[in-house]
Amino acid sequence: DQQVKQNSPSLSVQEGRISILNCDYTNSMFDYFLWYKKYPAEGPTFLISISSIKDKNEDGRFTVFLNKSAKHLSLHIVPSQPGDSAVYFCAASVLTGGGNKLTFGTGTQLKVEL
Amino acid sequence: DTEVTQTPKHLVMGMTNKKSLKCEQHMGHRAMYWYKQKAKKPPELMFVYSYEKLSINESVPSRFSPECPNSSLLNLHLHALQPEDSALYLCASSQADRGGGYTFGSGTRLTVV
Repeated sequence: DQQVKQNSPSLSVQEGRISILNCDYTNSMFDYFLWYKKYPAEGPTFLISISSIKDKNEDGRFTVFLNKSAKHLSLHIVPSQPGDSAVYFCAASVLTGGGNKLTFGTGTQLKVEL
Repeated sequence: DTEVTQTPKHLVMGMTNKKSLKCEQHMGHRAMYWYKQKAKKPPELMFVYSYEKLSINESVPSRFSPECPNSSLLNLHLHALQPEDSALYLCASSQADRGGGYTFGSGTRLTVV
């Protein structure tokens, strides 16, 4: 049961344009949503998060939007830069009795072209 | 210090070997995690330690044995692994009683031969 889904395995964008990465989830108990950037053979690097009680969070070139009724979130990167090329994972967390459990989506490979 | 440090970065082991992966953080986080990531797949949770106690085991085979000696250290002991256990093993830490994200280490690339 894939609770967090990223339906686009890849995305190609021109430098300077906006990149929009999408994510859908099914579990209404998730309390935080996060985006991580990952290069091969490295650990995920945290980019930005949003609490489930918010609908928008912005940090520099990165903005995350949350639509709870649609169980959908998106990451906007503007302007896109070649250094943004990486795999982007959407993740969702839920605080359980056993700890803070993070579930990842399947990832979207972003390529920013010159 | 805002890092999670994992050693070794690369490990090749035979199916009869015993080895250990190590993880260290000094951010005062009281929750630590082991994740496994196969190529082109998302990281998958293996174990969660909360306040140095094992709180979640995601039905991981017993050939993987976690240990949390203190609040800064997390080990993963490996014994009798199979070639299909070859993967990137990621350690992470976070606040134990708040939601949100983790800080990940850079991982150990494990190859079982």
